[in-house]
Amino acid sequence: DAKTTQPTSMDCAEGRAANLPCNHSTISGNEYVYWYRQIHSQGPQYIIHGLKNNETNEMASLIITEDRKSSTLILPHATLRDTAVYYCIVRVANYGGSQGNLIFGKGTKLSVKP
Amino acid sequence: DSGVTQTPKHLITATGQRVTLRCSPRSGDLSVYWYQQSLDQGLQFLIQYYNGEERAKGNILERFSAQQFPDLHSELNLSSLELGDSALYFCASSGRRQSSGNTIYFGEGSWLTVV
Repeated sequence: DAKTTQPTSMDCAEGRAANLPCNHSTISGNEYVYWYRQIHSQGPQYIIHGLKNNETNEMASLIITEDRKSSTLILPHATLRDTAVYYCIVRVANYGGSQGNLIFGKGTKLSVKP
Repeated sequence: DSGVTQTPKHLITATGQRVTLRCSPRSGDLSVYWYQQSLDQGLQFLIQYYNGEERAKGNILERFSAQQFPDLHSELNLSSLELGDSALYFCASSGRRQSSGNTIYFGEGSWLTVV
């Protein structure tokens, strides 16, 4: 699986958008970009994933550059409860069953401040 | 609630002992993954099973073993425990039949403390 590079930490003001960048310059054509977060020793929580198109769900938006070498996770209105470590992971996803596992890096520690 | 259930939530045991951690995947999921997270390490992938068979192996010690049963639940066995085995152990699942791009969902973990 391709490796990712994320900033070690970021701060964000409550109510503002949090934009978390991720570089994955060696991503392959069959690899998805996944985002997870971990709030203080809880189980990692799935946020969103995408292949090449931008994606949006109830939690966040994922913007993937056209060359797929980087992406940005956007939390539109950050709250204190969004304080967590955010992981950007690239993963081969096969159809119909057995899937590639997730290899976690160190992630970005996002601190949302009042 | 991810739908992945892990037991026990907390466990304290002595060095040299053996413990078994149990995981029930989300209904219909065929793949089970085990991860370890200790204080000074990130999330380390240990092992993956798919429909009862070992599919991928990560940094799993020889003292550790796992299996997935016909009903798809999985157990992680940790033996000859050492102080350094104290960690959070996560189980995750994915891989429903007839589906693509399957997302991995994690349980809340089992806290193991070795004293």
